[in-house]
Amino acid sequence: GAGVSQSPRYKVAKRGQDVALRCDPISGHVSLFWYQQALGQGPEFLTYFQNEAQLDKSGLPSDRFFAERPEGSVSTLKIQRTQQEDSAVYLCASSTRTGQGLDEQYFGPGTRLTVT
Amino acid sequence: AQKVTQAQTEISVVEKEDVTLDCVYETRDTTYYLFWYKQPPSGELVFLIRRNSFDEQNEISGRYSWNFQKSTSSFNFTITASQVVDSAVYFCALLTTDSWGKLQFGAGTQVVVTP
Repeated sequence: GAGVSQSPRYKVAKRGQDVALRCDPISGHVSLFWYQQALGQGPEFLTYFQNEAQLDKSGLPSDRFFAERPEGSVSTLKIQRTQQEDSAVYLCASSTRTGQGLDEQYFGPGTRLTVT
Repeated sequence: AQKVTQAQTEISVVEKEDVTLDCVYETRDTTYYLFWYKQPPSGELVFLIRRNSFDEQNEISGRYSWNFQKSTSSFNFTITASQVVDSAVYFCALLTTDSWGKLQFGAGTQVVVTP
């Protein structure tokens, strides 16, 4: 595929349910990022992978949030015991960066999560 | 601490008018990168431009132009002769070399272009 893809595009979860959001980065991109975008706000960083290594997870809001990229390509963001404040758009981005992360990041369309 | 401020929440213009979006950033780092992204209603963030802190040369690319001024920590973006397809939210973002690729976004400016 030409760009970053994410699935599902929309997810409605009842409070307390677990959800898993998937990201397929651009083929060959080393770096993968997850961002959370609340309504009317700019995206906020959650976590960063370089290949399969999670190098920065400082933005994850709680231990209910977990991300993995076991083979260095597809990534999954998992949220356990969802709460209403988790409602947001979750954006995935990838870049070719192998050094200091200075390349532009290419974003997917996002997954809109609504927790009821 | 890094911070990006986009003071304009929404700008409404009539087609063919020019639109200038303001961006002010804060960082203690001497080496950093600034970006503009566009987010149309479809939701996908589209990369527009990247500038590094050592390159203050302003640029025009088609209907887009950028004005980077380190002295005022500003990185403004102008759309000339706006079109309806320019309607979107525009984000300014900051990246420092020690941040592992962590983009710091502003809150965004909604641009509405009406025919």
